[in-house]
Amino acid sequence: ETGVTQTPRHLVMGMTNKKSLKCEQHLGHNAMYWYKQSAKKPLELMFVYSLEERVENNSVPSRFSPECPNSSHLFLHLHTLQPEDSALYLCASSQGAQGLGNTIYFGEGSWLTVV
Amino acid sequence: AQSVTQPDIHITVSEGASLELRCNYSYGATPYLFWYVQSPGQGLQLLLKYFSGDTLVQGIKGFEAEFKRSQSSFNLRKPSVHWSDAAEYFCAVGALTGGGNKLTFGTGTQLKVEL
Repeated sequence: ETGVTQTPRHLVMGMTNKKSLKCEQHLGHNAMYWYKQSAKKPLELMFVYSLEERVENNSVPSRFSPECPNSSHLFLHLHTLQPEDSALYLCASSQGAQGLGNTIYFGEGSWLTVV
Repeated sequence: AQSVTQPDIHITVSEGASLELRCNYSYGATPYLFWYVQSPGQGLQLLLKYFSGDTLVQGIKGFEAEFKRSQSSFNLRKPSVHWSDAAEYFCAVGALTGGGNKLTFGTGTQLKVEL
């Protein structure tokens, strides 16, 4: 138990569906992240939120839409995805305001399969 | 921009044998370095981190890593591997971005332990 909870753990969706991934952190952190992990590729940072403001968007297609309603919750809204978007999506959090001296904690991930 | 290289994609060791996983980084300033472990179907768990001070850092599960600035390396070691150590290991270098901590990961090393 890392203090970062992701739901659902597994999701299968069609290319025309709309679904959302949810992340909740119980660590009192003020920065949250979405990473994408595909087979044989390094983890890719998708989005960074700090104090509920998006501070980084790493050229992610608009079919991925993040939302951070408060410092404890982060969503990734999915719409008209492609099969190549199938991957493990990892949420993470850290105490970003204190800089690099803080560890990033990861959730267990949501396995997404697009059919 | 920072980068991380893990030259070994797969490593197989016998249980009880020693282990060294290699990591080389590229970063223009003082690096903040991390090792994470990922068991099958799970998220990433922090093993250890280096920010400053003693270049030999101790982590959980009996792992240690040594920072060598002259070689731009941060290799992970364990004197005696247990079967439960079979997993994928990721080295990462940290940078501060917009209030959050951005990690750049290597492609990972898959460790297999033979009984």
